[in-house]
Amino acid sequence: NAGVTQTPKFRVLKTGQSMTLLCAQDMNHEYMYWYRQDPGMGLRLIHYSVGEGTTAKGEVPDGYNVSRLKKQNFLLGLESAAPSQTSVYFCASSYSVSGAGANVLTFGAGSRLTVL
Amino acid sequence: QQPVQSPQAVILREGEDAVINCSSSKALYSVHWYRQKHGEAPVFLMILLKGGEQKGHDKISASFNEKKQQSSLYLTASQLSYSGTYFCGTTVAGTYKYIFGTGTRLKVLA
Repeated sequence: NAGVTQTPKFRVLKTGQSMTLLCAQDMNHEYMYWYRQDPGMGLRLIHYSVGEGTTAKGEVPDGYNVSRLKKQNFLLGLESAAPSQTSVYFCASSYSVSGAGANVLTFGAGSRLTVL
Repeated sequence: QQPVQSPQAVILREGEDAVINCSSSKALYSVHWYRQKHGEAPVFLMILLKGGEQKGHDKISASFNEKKQQSSLYLTASQLSYSGTYFCGTTVAGTYKYIFGTGTRLKVLA
């Protein structure tokens, strides 16, 4: 059982280039999330999804777009990468608890992105 | 909106105890605690529900006071393996956003 898989694990981009990070989960979870983590910082929510075909903005959505065309996949896109987007990106998924939002999050291993 | 954790960092000797606090400006219905080792993803430790229930995990326990909008994590007789960064996590009331606290770096020395 793979859990949550992120690809790629590492990527180096030049300013202005675009790329997509893929998150795939095999636990049939409804909720999926993208976070970024900068050195010495906590986890900041970029975008999230509560089901197939739905997405919503988190706390730091600017410069990112997401799509969830299939329940098991959640894609994070950078249309025009900037050095400020250098970070470690974590995807997570969760099943919902009726009336109480998300339950425990299961994380992918992370994707380290460097923008030069 | 991000829950604030205190202390920001703590250094312990093996066998010593520590308390990590998580305070929110918004109502908390449940709180989860996670530990992240250096270079790894966060891993779930325990869940705290309304009603002040305490949950235990080995020598790690926690409490939740929904009136004070606070949760505390208690690490007793710390071991080297406890080193890492601890985060509280919660769903923002009235939304489906799941956010994390500011984090507490814990280092246990031999």
